[in-house]
Amino acid sequence: ETGVTQSPTHLIKTRGQQVTLRCSSQSGHNTVSWYQQALGQGPQFIFQYYREEENGRGNFPPRFSGLQFPNYSSELNVNALELDDSALYLCASSPSPSGRAVETQYFGPGTRLLVL
Amino acid sequence: SQQGEEDPQALSIQEGENATMNCSYKTSINNLQWYRQNSGRGLVHLILIRSNEREKHSGRLRVTLDTSKKSSSLLITASRAADTASYFCATRASGGSYIPTFGRGTSLIVHP
Repeated sequence: ETGVTQSPTHLIKTRGQQVTLRCSSQSGHNTVSWYQQALGQGPQFIFQYYREEENGRGNFPPRFSGLQFPNYSSELNVNALELDDSALYLCASSPSPSGRAVETQYFGPGTRLLVL
Repeated sequence: SQQGEEDPQALSIQEGENATMNCSYKTSINNLQWYRQNSGRGLVHLILIRSNEREKHSGRLRVTLDTSKKSSSLLITASRAADTASYFCATRASGGSYIPTFGRGTSLIVHP
């Protein structure tokens, strides 16, 4: 157990809908990253938040957005869902003095999203 | 895009045997990490090796890094059925992105 929790565990949506996934970081961790993992693939970095500001972004369109709250919990929002958005969404938290040089990350169990 | 690529894609062995997985990457790195994932759940950090290190040990795990060949290997000795999982390498590029980039993983099955 890493102390990182995610909700919900599973979700089914239809194309065009919007979804919000939630992540509660491990206590004391000020940095959270979100990853998308398609079946049979490795995790792909979506973005990272440090002290409520986005400080890194992968190759994902603007319809993927996020928030980090003062307690360092986080949300991932995806608008206008597409079939290819079906994947396991992982969040990972880490302690970081500057939001950079993130090394060891502690992952949550993930939210499995299916878009029909 | 995938920076690290694990090899083999799948590995099936008997309990007690050693398992070796390899990771190759393309650009200079600051560090390389190995993670484990059980049945599509969250990833668990196993070991981190920095670019100026050549070998690290953690329990039954041994990781090597050859920066001249841009490759790393993960050795699990005396494997157990509980080691059955997917194993990923993640690299952090030097002088640029500080975000780890994951490979596609090696699926390991250890038969009891």
